[in-house]
Amino acid sequence: NAGVTQTPKFQVLKTGQSMTLQCAQDMNHNSMYWYRQDPGMGLRLIYYSASEGTTDKGEVPNGYNVSRLNKREFSLRLESAAPSQTSVYFCASSRLQRGQPQHFGDGTRLSIL
Amino acid sequence: AQTVTQSQPEMSVQEAETVTLSCTYDTSESDYYLFWYKQPPSRQMILVIRQEAYKQQNATENRFSVNFQKAAKSFSLKISDSQLGDAAMYFCAYRKVQGAQKLVFGQGTRLTINP
Repeated sequence: NAGVTQTPKFQVLKTGQSMTLQCAQDMNHNSMYWYRQDPGMGLRLIYYSASEGTTDKGEVPNGYNVSRLNKREFSLRLESAAPSQTSVYFCASSRLQRGQPQHFGDGTRLSIL
Repeated sequence: AQTVTQSQPEMSVQEAETVTLSCTYDTSESDYYLFWYKQPPSRQMILVIRQEAYKQQNATENRFSVNFQKAAKSFSLKISDSQLGDAAMYFCAYRKVQGAQKLVFGQGTRLTINP
């Protein structure tokens, strides 16, 4: 079972470059999320999509854009990468029903020089 | 806004012993969910246990159990018979029932198991 698949797993960018992180889930989940994890901190929500066709800002949305391409796929784009966006990025998905937990991908380690 | 606080950056325990990880949270909601996630060095986020606020009974999953004190807004994780494979970062997380199902995470506790 693939679950939540993130690509790429690692990436190094130069300041000012653009990049799209891809996420796909095969569990027929309605909701999808993007988080970032910085050293010494828990995961913080960047953007989320409660259902296909909707997206909303989370706690730290500045510098990012998202696209819910279809029910399976939710991408995160950095238009002009900055060193402050060096982080590990996690995608997650869940059902809409009450109490359903989020399932996470394996993360993307992104370094911006 | 809801916040989650884990006051223990690091904990260690002898193999086969019991350890308790602390978590407190702040919310004005009466109904919500609380979770513990485990993150081993492989970086995966693995759900360990979850608790529904309206249920008074503490959740249990094999060697993992919680002590949920709603009035005190406390949600601790107890790991019994600790095993080397339990070594990981542990994150406490909160989620409202209504509205978007986004998670709010604590800062994490790094658990070391001493053989």
